[in-house]
Amino acid sequence: AQTVTQSQPEMSVQEAETVTLSCTYDTSESDYYLFWYKQPPSRQMILVIRQEAYKQQNATENRFSVNFQKAAKSFSLKISDSQLGDAAMYFCAYRSAKDSSYKLIFGSGTRLLVRP
Amino acid sequence: NAGVTQTPKFRVLKTGQSMTLLCAQDMNHEYMYWYRQDPGMGLRLIHYSVGEGTTAKGEVPDGYNVSRLKKQNFLLGLESAAPSQTSVYFCASRALAGRTGELFFGEGSRLTVL
Repeated sequence: AQTVTQSQPEMSVQEAETVTLSCTYDTSESDYYLFWYKQPPSRQMILVIRQEAYKQQNATENRFSVNFQKAAKSFSLKISDSQLGDAAMYFCAYRSAKDSSYKLIFGSGTRLLVRP
Repeated sequence: NAGVTQTPKFRVLKTGQSMTLLCAQDMNHEYMYWYRQDPGMGLRLIHYSVGEGTTAKGEVPDGYNVSRLKKQNFLLGLESAAPSQTSVYFCASRALAGRTGELFFGEGSRLTVL
């Protein structure tokens, strides 16, 4: 069974600086998708970024980028120029490309604090 | 745009009581999911449905039942609530087509069982 591990329960960053959130996963499959979701205090789950395993290029969405290391099964999220609105819980998630249910497997989350 | 709507948003139950959480989506999505979120454990899948009239068990199905009688609705039932079911419950839906299809989440329902 696939698992997703986020080893940092909480991280803190100064406003305008850069922070990296870690995620590792375990799978025997070669075709899959990885996601980062943001959950602000409102509880709404917001998709931040998505990576397809067969693409070597790291995904980027504005200030958010990932470092996808397939061999190491690592998928970290880098937030540049951190803003107060980035403060939230961040969840890493995995989805098998073979799973016809399309269900996501989530990590335990990392709470990001942004210091003004 | 309503998207995914969960009802109720908050509920307090006594041990042994029953209740139903309703998830409604207006996007004509085929797939629907119920997750629970607990501190330090992320979101865990309870049950899911791949289409009207179908349901399947997820990672933590015990103590819950579900029904998908209408495509737009996915109901999560607790027949005899237990304190261990105190959690925040999230419903999500997904369209049928596309490998990279996105999950759309509701705003969550906080359930407390005393």
